[in-house]
Amino acid sequence: ILNVEQSPQSLHVQEGDSTNFTCSFPSSNFYALHWYRWETAKSPEALFVMTLNGDEKKKGRISATLNTKEGYSYLYIKGSQPEDSATYLCAPRLGGGSQGNLIFGKGTKLSVKP
Amino acid sequence: GAVVSQHPSWVICKSGTSVKIECRSLDFQATTMFWYRQFPKQSLMLMATSNEGSKATYEQGVEKDKFLINHASLTLSTLTVTSAHPEDSSFYICSARRTGAGDTQYFGPGTRLTVL
Repeated sequence: ILNVEQSPQSLHVQEGDSTNFTCSFPSSNFYALHWYRWETAKSPEALFVMTLNGDEKKKGRISATLNTKEGYSYLYIKGSQPEDSATYLCAPRLGGGSQGNLIFGKGTKLSVKP
Repeated sequence: GAVVSQHPSWVICKSGTSVKIECRSLDFQATTMFWYRQFPKQSLMLMATSNEGSKATYEQGVEKDKFLINHASLTLSTLTVTSAHPEDSSFYICSARRTGAGDTQYFGPGTRLTVL
């Protein structure tokens, strides 16, 4: 069974705080790592797709890094805002082409208090 | 762009009945669509991969005769839960991969199924 671990499970921060979460995954047969942001009652929204070791991607106040050799990715949010409240999912794809589907972690639920 | 709709958003049905869930890509063509299920406090689990014009590929442990998938066009895939039982109660969510646009999957908002 391929295991994707996300930590912490949940996080409560104050508006303006910066925060980060971790995604750990098996490093063998790595193809890509996806991050999604999922607000309650909405569709999960794609944030990043990362493929290369050492990749860093940024979208506004949110950024992510990738280490494929040790099997982890960090997601950072700078200056959290209430609208950042959501569950953040990571999903590695182990194997490319027609093989290898996304394997989702349970997510990190972020709550930002105004 | 890349909007996926799912209908219905929630459904309650009696045990033994069948329920159909539709997944549509509204502004793009999707050769491949995916169906996931999520139980409370668990991660999204892939049930099957649906390819337009061909049979779906089911993950291990997913009964193909119980969860019928049809992907008749480049914008529509349907999941039918046949003879539903209370243990089928779950959150079902679909995603679509945009043809020729890389690896990203675009998700629908999901369907909450409750079987009484």
